[in-house]
Amino acid sequence: SQQGEEDPQALSIQEGENATMNCSYKTSINNLQWYRQNSGRGLVHLILIRSNEREKHSGRLRVTLDTSKKSSSLLITASRAADTASYFCATGNTNAGKSTFGDGTTLTVKP
Amino acid sequence: GAVVSQHPSWVICKSGTSVKIECRSLDFQATTMFWYRQFPKQSLMLMATSNEGSKATYEQGVEKDKFLINHASLTLSTLTVTSAHPEDSSFYICSARVEAQYFGAGTRLSVL
Repeated sequence: SQQGEEDPQALSIQEGENATMNCSYKTSINNLQWYRQNSGRGLVHLILIRSNEREKHSGRLRVTLDTSKKSSSLLITASRAADTASYFCATGNTNAGKSTFGDGTTLTVKP
Repeated sequence: GAVVSQHPSWVICKSGTSVKIECRSLDFQATTMFWYRQFPKQSLMLMATSNEGSKATYEQGVEKDKFLINHASLTLSTLTVTSAHPEDSSFYICSARVEAQYFGAGTRLSVL
């Protein structure tokens, strides 16, 4: 299976609510990245968290990393309709240059 | 942050023709670039790792003669889909690594 696996697969919330997505991985990493992809578009890099970091903020985004559980979460606070997109996590492996993507979480924010 | 430019963003071609997609790192040098493929509503699947000055490393199941990769300089990698067929229609995305991976905007290929 994929190195990064997100859950839930799909999430639908009302505007103003918070959205939390989780990512689990299997092998050791040196960093983990979160991306957003609008339908039919390329990936937008949101945030990178290194393996020695536990939490990182960027605007309305908050990312946590628990290397002991091999998991990360992405929290979007005060969601907006424009946040509707697919969100992917990708892991940067210590032993390889490539990143591996999970299946993504499709977020729908209803106005 | 690092910028990766991909061109073209969209291409429509006839079956049997070849299509070249370019991936450039604009503000950094990338000895390694990655090519991904994405089908609708699916995740990104790594096709190959492009290495500057040497042969690309292809993932299992990816035809190297079908998807030709050339990484001739530290800022440019190209993916050529040879003798394209409708089943090659997909979204192709490149990336280059500077600690994290930074992605191009993708190329949507439609083969008629």
